[in-house]
Amino acid sequence: AQKVTQAQTEISVVEKEDVTLDCVYETRDTTYYLFWYKQPPSGELVFLIRRNSFDEQNEISGRYSWNFQKSTSSFNFTITASQVVDSAVYFCALRGSGGSNYKLTFGKGTLLTVNP
Amino acid sequence: EAGVAQSPRYKIIEKRQSVAFWCNPISGHATLYWYQQILGQGPKLLIQFQNNGVVDDSQLPKDRFSAERLKGVDSTLKIQPAKLEDSAVYLCASSSPDRRVYGYTFGSGTRLTVV
Repeated sequence: AQKVTQAQTEISVVEKEDVTLDCVYETRDTTYYLFWYKQPPSGELVFLIRRNSFDEQNEISGRYSWNFQKSTSSFNFTITASQVVDSAVYFCALRGSGGSNYKLTFGKGTLLTVNP
Repeated sequence: EAGVAQSPRYKIIEKRQSVAFWCNPISGHATLYWYQQILGQGPKLLIQFQNNGVVDDSQLPKDRFSAERLKGVDSTLKIQPAKLEDSAVYLCASSSPDRRVYGYTFGSGTRLTVV
């Protein structure tokens, strides 16, 4: 069974602060894929990043960065110099390598509120 | 490319009534998913189609939910009869058959309120 845990239910920061969203996953697959999605108040799920289990290189994209550590089964997401527009629910998700079953298993999400 | 289209955007029904949602995936995406997102939770997969066939419907409450994918393109999800606990956002997603790109695109969802 696959499981994604986002222990932080809600985080509130002041604009320009850095914030890290935690994600811990469980899977028995040796090959798997991790994702982060953003869900703004409008409701759509916006894709942010996908990482493969065999590529532990951390990634930076503008103000966003991701820290993938297989040793601790974690895939944390950091927003640097947060902005009000970053306010949203952020989901971490996991896809295993089970044949043609490509389903995503989501965490419960972290509500990020960035205050001006 | 055009995104995943869903309709209606919102729906309010009384319990025990029936309701249907429609999804048109991205052209060429063989895999289509229906997810249920209850308020305060992450999306949960209800059913996955690969072309016309069902790959995974293990979490679909089959006594009241049904889904079909016509000709491997559009899909409908039906609830009959609805219960209060079915109030949720129903998200449709599709994914590329290109194994190098495990991208999923989600629609805007249908927000269902059962009263």
